[in-house]
Amino acid sequence: DVKVTQSSRYLVKRTGEKVFLECVQDMDHENMFWYRQDPGLGLRLIYFSYDVKMKEKGDIPEGYSVSREKKERFSLILESASTNQTSMYLCASSRTLYEQYFGPGTRLTVT
Amino acid sequence: AQSVTQLDSQVPVFEEAPVELRCNYSSSVSVYLFWYVQYPNQGLQLLLKYLSGSTLVKSINGFEAEFNKSQTSFHLRKPSVHISDTAEYFCAVSEETGGFKTIFGAGTRLFVKA
Repeated sequence: DVKVTQSSRYLVKRTGEKVFLECVQDMDHENMFWYRQDPGLGLRLIYFSYDVKMKEKGDIPEGYSVSREKKERFSLILESASTNQTSMYLCASSRTLYEQYFGPGTRLTVT
Repeated sequence: AQSVTQLDSQVPVFEEAPVELRCNYSSSVSVYLFWYVQYPNQGLQLLLKYLSGSTLVKSINGFEAEFNKSQTSFHLRKPSVHISDTAEYFCAVSEETGGFKTIFGAGTRLFVKA
Protein backbone atom coordinates (compact mmCIF):
# COMPACT_ATOMS: atom_id res chain seq x y z
CA ASP A 1 0.00 0.00 0.00
CA VAL A 2 1.39 3.36 -1.05
CA LYS A 3 2.21 5.82 1.67
CA VAL A 4 3.10 9.48 2.00
CA THR A 5 3.75 10.67 5.53
CA GLN A 6 4.14 14.18 6.88
CA SER A 7 6.06 14.91 10.05
CA SER A 8 3.29 16.72 11.92
CA ARG A 9 -0.49 16.90 11.69
CA TYR A 10 -0.68 20.16 13.63
CA LEU A 11 1.97 22.80 14.18
CA VAL A 12 1.91 26.16 15.93
CA LYS A 13 4.77 28.58 15.34
CA ARG A 14 5.51 32.21 16.11
CA THR A 15 6.01 34.95 13.55
CA GLY A 16 9.61 35.06 12.39
CA GLU A 17 10.44 31.47 13.27
CA LYS A 18 12.07 29.14 10.75
CA VAL A 19 9.72 26.23 10.06
CA PHE A 20 10.50 22.84 8.54
CA LEU A 21 7.79 20.60 7.14
CA GLU A 22 8.95 17.12 6.25
CA CYS A 23 7.44 14.68 3.77
CA VAL A 24 8.49 11.08 3.14
CA GLN A 25 7.19 8.66 0.52
CA ASP A 26 7.88 4.95 0.31
CA MET A 27 6.93 4.37 -3.34
CA ASP A 28 10.24 5.29 -4.99
CA HIS A 29 8.50 8.10 -6.88
CA GLU A 30 10.60 10.58 -8.82
CA ASN A 31 8.17 13.49 -8.47
CA MET A 32 7.20 15.23 -5.27
CA PHE A 33 5.05 18.29 -4.63
CA TRP A 34 4.16 20.78 -1.92
CA TYR A 35 0.75 22.48 -1.98
CA ARG A 36 -1.06 24.76 0.36
CA GLN A 37 -4.80 24.40 0.74
CA ASP A 38 -6.99 27.37 1.71
CA PRO A 39 -10.80 27.54 1.83
CA GLY A 40 -12.24 28.71 -1.47
CA LEU A 41 -8.87 28.59 -3.20
CA GLY A 42 -8.35 24.85 -3.51
CA LEU A 43 -4.79 23.59 -3.76
CA ARG A 44 -2.02 25.88 -4.94
CA LEU A 45 1.36 24.54 -5.93
CA ILE A 46 4.30 25.94 -3.97
CA TYR A 47 7.24 23.89 -5.27
CA PHE A 48 7.84 20.56 -6.96
CA SER A 49 10.78 18.32 -7.64
CA TYR A 50 11.48 15.94 -10.51
CA ASP A 51 14.50 14.30 -8.97
CA VAL A 52 16.97 14.46 -6.13
CA LYS A 53 18.46 17.95 -5.74
CA MET A 54 16.15 19.30 -8.42
CA LYS A 55 13.37 21.78 -7.71
CA GLU A 56 10.98 23.94 -9.65
CA LYS A 57 8.87 26.87 -8.50
CA GLY A 58 5.15 26.45 -8.53
CA ASP A 59 2.54 29.17 -8.54
CA ILE A 60 3.19 30.65 -5.09
CA PRO A 61 6.86 30.10 -4.11
CA GLU A 62 7.38 33.43 -2.34
CA GLY A 63 8.37 32.99 1.29
CA TYR A 64 9.16 29.29 0.87
CA SER A 65 12.11 27.13 -0.09
CA VAL A 66 12.54 23.38 -0.47
CA SER A 67 15.16 20.70 -0.13
CA ARG A 68 15.41 17.26 -1.67
CA GLU A 69 18.60 15.51 -0.66
CA LYS A 70 17.15 12.00 -0.88
CA LYS A 71 14.62 10.58 -3.30
CA GLU A 72 12.09 9.70 -0.63
CA ARG A 73 12.19 12.99 1.31
CA PHE A 74 11.03 16.46 0.31
CA SER A 75 11.18 19.28 2.83
CA LEU A 76 9.37 22.60 2.77
CA ILE A 77 11.03 25.47 4.61
CA LEU A 78 9.48 28.72 5.76
CA GLU A 79 12.51 30.93 6.30
CA SER A 80 10.64 33.45 8.47
CA ALA A 81 7.08 32.44 9.17
CA SER A 82 4.35 35.03 8.79
CA THR A 83 0.69 34.98 9.76
CA ASN A 84 -0.38 34.81 6.10
CA GLN A 85 1.33 31.43 5.89
CA THR A 86 -1.22 29.94 8.27
CA SER A 87 -2.70 27.17 6.15
CA MET A 88 -2.99 23.46 5.48
CA TYR A 89 0.10 22.11 3.74
CA LEU A 90 -0.18 18.97 1.62
CA CYS A 91 2.66 16.90 0.25
CA ALA A 92 2.19 14.58 -2.73
CA SER A 93 4.27 12.24 -4.86
CA SER A 94 3.83 10.65 -8.28
CA ARG A 95 5.56 8.42 -10.76
CA THR A 96 3.51 9.53 -13.76
CA LEU A 97 1.29 12.37 -14.81
CA TYR A 98 -1.75 10.27 -14.07
CA GLU A 99 -2.07 10.18 -10.31
CA GLN A 100 -0.67 11.95 -7.29
CA TYR A 101 -0.59 10.35 -3.84
CA PHE A 102 -1.16 12.73 -0.97
CA GLY A 103 -0.10 12.80 2.65
CA PRO A 104 -2.59 13.61 5.44
CA GLY A 105 -1.55 17.25 5.60
CA THR A 106 0.00 19.56 8.20
CA ARG A 107 -2.17 22.31 9.60
CA LEU A 108 0.21 25.17 10.39
CA THR A 109 -0.82 28.10 12.53
CA VAL A 110 1.50 31.09 12.74
CA THR A 111 0.76 33.46 15.63
CA ALA B 1 -2.95 28.91 -19.50
CA GLN B 2 -5.12 26.23 -17.97
CA SER B 3 -7.68 26.87 -15.25
CA VAL B 4 -10.35 24.88 -13.46
CA THR B 5 -13.70 26.19 -12.24
CA GLN B 6 -15.92 24.33 -9.85
CA LEU B 7 -19.21 26.12 -10.01
CA ASP B 8 -20.56 25.16 -6.58
CA SER B 9 -18.65 25.65 -3.35
CA GLN B 10 -21.18 23.63 -1.32
CA VAL B 11 -23.79 21.08 -2.31
CA PRO B 12 -26.21 19.84 0.36
CA VAL B 13 -28.25 16.79 -0.61
CA PHE B 14 -30.41 14.21 1.11
CA GLU B 15 -29.28 10.61 1.39
CA GLU B 16 -30.25 8.43 -1.61
CA ALA B 17 -30.80 11.48 -3.81
CA PRO B 18 -28.77 11.99 -7.03
CA VAL B 19 -26.00 14.58 -7.13
CA GLU B 20 -23.96 16.38 -9.76
CA LEU B 21 -20.79 18.33 -9.00
CA ARG B 22 -19.87 20.62 -11.85
CA CYS B 23 -16.40 21.25 -13.25
CA ASN B 24 -15.30 23.31 -16.23
CA TYR B 25 -11.77 23.81 -17.44
CA SER B 26 -9.96 25.96 -19.95
CA SER B 27 -7.03 24.78 -22.02
CA SER B 28 -5.86 25.10 -25.59
CA VAL B 29 -4.24 21.66 -25.71
CA SER B 30 -5.20 18.10 -24.88
CA VAL B 31 -5.81 17.47 -21.21
CA TYR B 32 -6.02 14.76 -18.60
CA LEU B 33 -8.85 15.20 -16.11
CA PHE B 34 -9.21 14.03 -12.52
CA TRP B 35 -11.56 14.06 -9.57
CA TYR B 36 -9.99 13.78 -6.12
CA VAL B 37 -11.91 13.34 -2.85
CA GLN B 38 -10.84 14.57 0.59
CA TYR B 39 -12.59 13.06 3.60
CA PRO B 40 -12.46 15.01 6.88
CA ASN B 41 -8.95 15.25 8.37
CA GLN B 42 -7.38 13.31 5.51
CA GLY B 43 -5.32 14.04 2.42
CA LEU B 44 -6.70 13.85 -1.10
CA GLN B 45 -7.19 10.55 -2.89
CA LEU B 46 -7.91 9.92 -6.54
CA LEU B 47 -11.56 9.11 -7.26
CA LEU B 48 -11.43 8.75 -11.04
CA LYS B 49 -9.56 9.98 -14.08
CA TYR B 50 -9.96 10.55 -17.80
CA LEU B 51 -6.85 10.03 -19.91
CA SER B 52 -8.20 8.96 -23.31
CA GLY B 53 -10.74 6.64 -24.90
CA SER B 54 -14.26 6.38 -23.51
CA THR B 55 -15.48 9.74 -22.30
CA LEU B 56 -17.44 8.17 -19.44
CA VAL B 57 -15.30 7.02 -16.53
CA LYS B 58 -16.43 5.36 -13.32
CA SER B 59 -15.16 4.84 -9.79
CA ILE B 60 -15.54 1.73 -7.66
CA ASN B 61 -17.97 3.43 -5.28
CA GLY B 62 -20.62 4.47 -7.81
CA PHE B 63 -19.40 7.87 -9.00
CA GLU B 64 -19.01 8.62 -12.69
CA ALA B 65 -17.80 11.56 -14.73
CA GLU B 66 -18.13 12.41 -18.40
CA PHE B 67 -15.58 14.32 -20.43
CA ASN B 68 -17.30 16.76 -22.76
CA LYS B 69 -14.71 18.34 -25.01
CA SER B 70 -17.06 20.79 -26.74
CA GLN B 71 -18.27 22.17 -23.40
CA THR B 72 -14.88 21.74 -21.71
CA SER B 73 -16.57 20.06 -18.78
CA PHE B 74 -15.96 17.04 -16.56
CA HIS B 75 -18.97 16.87 -14.23
CA LEU B 76 -19.12 14.28 -11.46
CA ARG B 77 -22.37 12.40 -10.81
CA LYS B 78 -23.77 9.77 -8.52
CA PRO B 79 -27.34 8.45 -8.83
CA SER B 80 -27.80 7.80 -5.10
CA VAL B 81 -25.53 9.25 -2.41
CA HIS B 82 -24.73 7.90 1.05
CA ILE B 83 -23.87 9.68 4.27
CA SER B 84 -20.34 8.38 3.84
CA ASP B 85 -19.96 10.39 0.62
CA THR B 86 -19.79 13.58 2.69
CA ALA B 87 -16.42 15.06 1.73
CA GLU B 88 -14.76 17.75 -0.34
CA TYR B 89 -14.32 16.99 -4.03
CA PHE B 90 -11.66 18.56 -6.21
CA CYS B 91 -11.59 18.62 -9.98
CA ALA B 92 -8.10 18.79 -11.49
CA VAL B 93 -6.51 19.07 -14.94
CA SER B 94 -3.09 18.36 -16.37
CA GLU B 95 -2.06 19.39 -19.84
CA GLU B 96 -0.39 16.82 -22.09
CA THR B 97 2.48 19.21 -22.67
CA GLY B 98 2.55 20.63 -19.17
CA GLY B 99 4.94 18.25 -17.50
CA PHE B 100 3.78 17.01 -14.14
CA LYS B 101 1.93 20.15 -13.13
CA THR B 102 -1.70 19.69 -12.15
CA ILE B 103 -4.14 22.55 -11.59
CA PHE B 104 -6.85 22.02 -8.98
CA GLY B 105 -10.25 23.65 -8.69
CA ALA B 106 -11.38 25.40 -5.52
CA GLY B 107 -13.30 22.34 -4.35
CA THR B 108 -16.96 21.47 -3.75
CA ARG B 109 -18.07 20.43 -0.30
CA LEU B 110 -20.71 17.70 -0.58
CA PHE B 111 -22.86 17.39 2.53
CA VAL B 112 -25.20 14.41 2.62
CA LYS B 113 -28.08 14.73 5.07
CA ALA B 114 -30.09 11.87 6.58
